[in-house]
Amino acid sequence: DAGITQSPRHKVTETGTPVTLRCHQTENHRYMYWYRQDPGHGLRLIHYSYGVKDTDKGEVSDGYSVSRSKTEDFLLTLESATSSQTSVYFCAISRKPDEKLFFGSGTQLSVL
Amino acid sequence: QQQVKQSPQSLIVQKGGISIINCAYENTAFDYFPWYQQFPGKGPALLIAIRPDVSEKKEGRFTISFNKSAKQFSLHIMDSQPGDSATYFCAATSNNAGNMLTFGGGTRLMVKP
Repeated sequence: DAGITQSPRHKVTETGTPVTLRCHQTENHRYMYWYRQDPGHGLRLIHYSYGVKDTDKGEVSDGYSVSRSKTEDFLLTLESATSSQTSVYFCAISRKPDEKLFFGSGTQLSVL
Repeated sequence: QQQVKQSPQSLIVQKGGISIINCAYENTAFDYFPWYQQFPGKGPALLIAIRPDVSEKKEGRFTISFNKSAKQFSLHIMDSQPGDSATYFCAATSNNAGNMLTFGGGTRLMVKP
């Protein structure tokens, strides 16, 4: 998947616990994104980054934070996981917002 | 609110038939309209994209038709094959700084042999 690695691939956690998902790219693309995928909702943008330490909120950012300390790494943190955050999370990268997005293989997160 | 509405949610087509998926958008500033294809257990991958300076774009069996006045665009898959069975997402964005892709809700296509 175009030099994008997401970890972990699967995670089960309990309500109220913190969770961090990692996205690592080897393509040196400027833009990195976190999406969540839920049936009937398609892909919804959580947060995105347009450079090291430069991040902004997406459509569904409540309850999530991100950090990008290096070009290649973009972390998504759920400070206190809730059941509504059970979803499949995808990291994506691109050179520009209106150019091709390359997606990772996703992380299946279950919050019990 | 969902700025890109996609229909149908699911579609069953016989092998060799034409699959048609429709999308409608609200934001007239959108100027880039890609379609992504997703197989089970995988991330979406860009299939084909169009910009509003043309009304149609064809790549092999896949065609995007674009109607700017109606704010609609559609994906046509000719001679549909079982290997085309996947989930398809339309999306839209504008060239303005900071505007990210907005995705439709997805269409699950099944092509029966």
